[in-house]
Amino acid sequence: NAGVTQTPKFQVLKTGQSMTLQCAQDMNHEYMSWYRQDPGMGLRLIHYSVGAGITDQGEVPNGYNVSRSTTEDFPLRLLSAAPSQTSVYFCASSPGIYHTGGRNQPQHFGDGTRLSIL
Amino acid sequence: DAKTTQPTSMDCAEGRAANLPCNHSTISGNEYVYWYRQIHSQGPQYIIHGLKNNETNEMASLIITEDRKSSTLILPHATLRDTAVYYCIVRVAFNAGNNRKLIWGLGTSLAVNP
Repeated sequence: NAGVTQTPKFQVLKTGQSMTLQCAQDMNHEYMSWYRQDPGMGLRLIHYSVGAGITDQGEVPNGYNVSRSTTEDFPLRLLSAAPSQTSVYFCASSPGIYHTGGRNQPQHFGDGTRLSIL
Repeated sequence: DAKTTQPTSMDCAEGRAANLPCNHSTISGNEYVYWYRQIHSQGPQYIIHGLKNNETNEMASLIITEDRKSSTLILPHATLRDTAVYYCIVRVAFNAGNNRKLIWGLGTSLAVNP
């Protein structure tokens, strides 16, 4: 039972390069989200999705794009990497429509992608 | 805009109970309190959540005060593998819709010592 799988685990980019962080879950969860974790700060929500074909912005969405073509996958794209995007990125999933308050389901997290932008 | 307050760090002897406090005095009446932990270099792991009644599962117990302004996570017999950062979290609305997000603070760094 893999849970939430993130790839790659580590990545170094140059400023201006683009890349996609992959996230896949095998639990048939409706809700998926991306967070970034920076030193001295708590996890911050970048984007989230309440189901296939539906995405929305979190609190720090600038510089990132997402799509949700299937229930299983929720990739995060950096179109033009900047040093300020150096961070650890976590993907999470949960059953139900977590953010609307209808169900209080815990989130399952991947082990993160450590991204450095030079 | 952290909605919870936790001690920065705590120590606990192996085999003893670890009691981690959290203040959430501004929590609204229908919001749950969630606890997660993060072991070094891993993703956060869900522990437990509750609304107003005490809760227990295979990992921990959660004691919520009657006024719901604070709670305590109890690890009954701490082991070295429980060394981690523990987050006490509530949800807040963050846009014009009915969407809410978890507010992640910096948590409590728990060191379990042999």
